[in-house]
Amino acid sequence: GAVVSQHPSRVICKSGTSVKIECRSLDFQATTMFWYRQFPKQSLMLMATSNEGSKATYEQGVEKDKFLINHASLTLSTLTVTSAHPEDSSFYICSAWGSEKLFFGSGTQLSVL
Amino acid sequence: KQEVTQIPAALSVPEGENLVLNCSFTDSAIYNLQWFRQDPGKGLTSLLLIQSSQREQTSGRLNASLDKSSGRSTLYIAASQPGDSATYLCAVTLSGSARQLTFGSGTQLTVLP
Repeated sequence: GAVVSQHPSRVICKSGTSVKIECRSLDFQATTMFWYRQFPKQSLMLMATSNEGSKATYEQGVEKDKFLINHASLTLSTLTVTSAHPEDSSFYICSAWGSEKLFFGSGTQLSVL
Repeated sequence: KQEVTQIPAALSVPEGENLVLNCSFTDSAIYNLQWFRQDPGKGLTSLLLIQSSQREQTSGRLNASLDKSSGRSTLYIAASQPGDSATYLCAVTLSGSARQLTFGSGTQLTVLP
């Protein structure tokens, strides 16, 4: 079945640095990928919709200059958290539609010190 | 704006019991509804997907129902096992919404051996 691979699974960084998270669709093409954020004991909140070859669509309240999304190919979308701060510490998950089902990456736990 | 609510927020049952998780949504113009399982610090696994024209779906010990007119879905788990312990999330896709999902806050299930 369709698989979405997300890397890294865990990252710890210093405040002020940038972190890049990759999301790949392994055996299908994904023109659209979604990025979610999940704080402890809360549900997933959609951050942005990533469209191949065009600009991402951000949800209200999500800073596009802070969370840079690049969807340069049909199998890869990246989320870069720029100048990360402790309040950005969260669990980030990507997803993509394949075979009429939504598949999720395994998530990235970001901890900003 | 679509809102998805899950009750109860947490549930603890002894092994072998049958149980029901509830999900309600405010906008009945949905494309489909999905139930997911999330293990701590992990991504999501799709359990069942119900299209808007369907009433229920079954997979093994799991049965999900959908009553679109009343904005409700239930996930029935038969003969629960300790391995079923996880957080269960329901999510709806609105018609014409580029297939974005709106998630409920989840039900944390613990099955005691």
